[in-house]
Amino acid sequence: AQSVTQLDSHVSVSEGTPVLLRCNYSSSYSPSLFWYVQHPNKGLQLLLKYTSAATLVKGINGFEAEFKKSETSFHLTKPSAHMSDAAEYFCVVSVSSGYSTLTFGKGTMLLVSP
Amino acid sequence: NAGVMQNPRHLVRRRGQEARLRCSPMKGHSHVYWYRQLPEEGLKFMVYLQKENIIDESGMPKERFSAEFPKEGPSILRIQQVVRGDSAAYFCASSLPPGTGAGANVLTFGAGSRLTVL
Repeated sequence: AQSVTQLDSHVSVSEGTPVLLRCNYSSSYSPSLFWYVQHPNKGLQLLLKYTSAATLVKGINGFEAEFKKSETSFHLTKPSAHMSDAAEYFCVVSVSSGYSTLTFGKGTMLLVSP
Repeated sequence: NAGVMQNPRHLVRRRGQEARLRCSPMKGHSHVYWYRQLPEEGLKFMVYLQKENIIDESGMPKERFSAEFPKEGPSILRIQQVVRGDSAAYFCASSLPPGTGAGANVLTFGAGSRLTVL
């Protein structure tokens, strides 16, 4: 079985300050981990993915995440928030068993103030 | 590359009616997934299909819900006799076939179809 816990339902930051969105996972097998972003009334866009290569993963729009097996965490960070980063972010775990079924966290809403 | 196309984007139905949601996968993708997003929740897996074959429907409600992906045309998620609890956003995703490389376990999502049941 696999599960994902996003520790904060809402995170508020000021423009130009760092972003930290926390995610912990549980998986019986070596997981693949993803972060997706959903802007209002839009589809989900893949930000970055971890698939057992480098533990520090760089994604689009300046985001990155670090896979820490000892802590079962995959936190998403960005050095400096931009207004356009305001959206909902989903941490996702996948255990490939011939096909991919993703388990989503409940999401973290990122609010960015001027 | 048009990506994953879903229609309609918004659908309103009265209780007891049928809802049909369509999904055309990304060009070159032959595997389709349906997910449901309830308010204040993450996406929940419903069903995984390839052409003319349901691979995994473990997330589908036992009654009223069905999905297909015919040889020709889009994948269809069908909900019969809708109830208010079916109101949600339904997302379709597609991928390459398993075993075709690193991109095979990356899903590309459509913009979703938002169903409102009155």
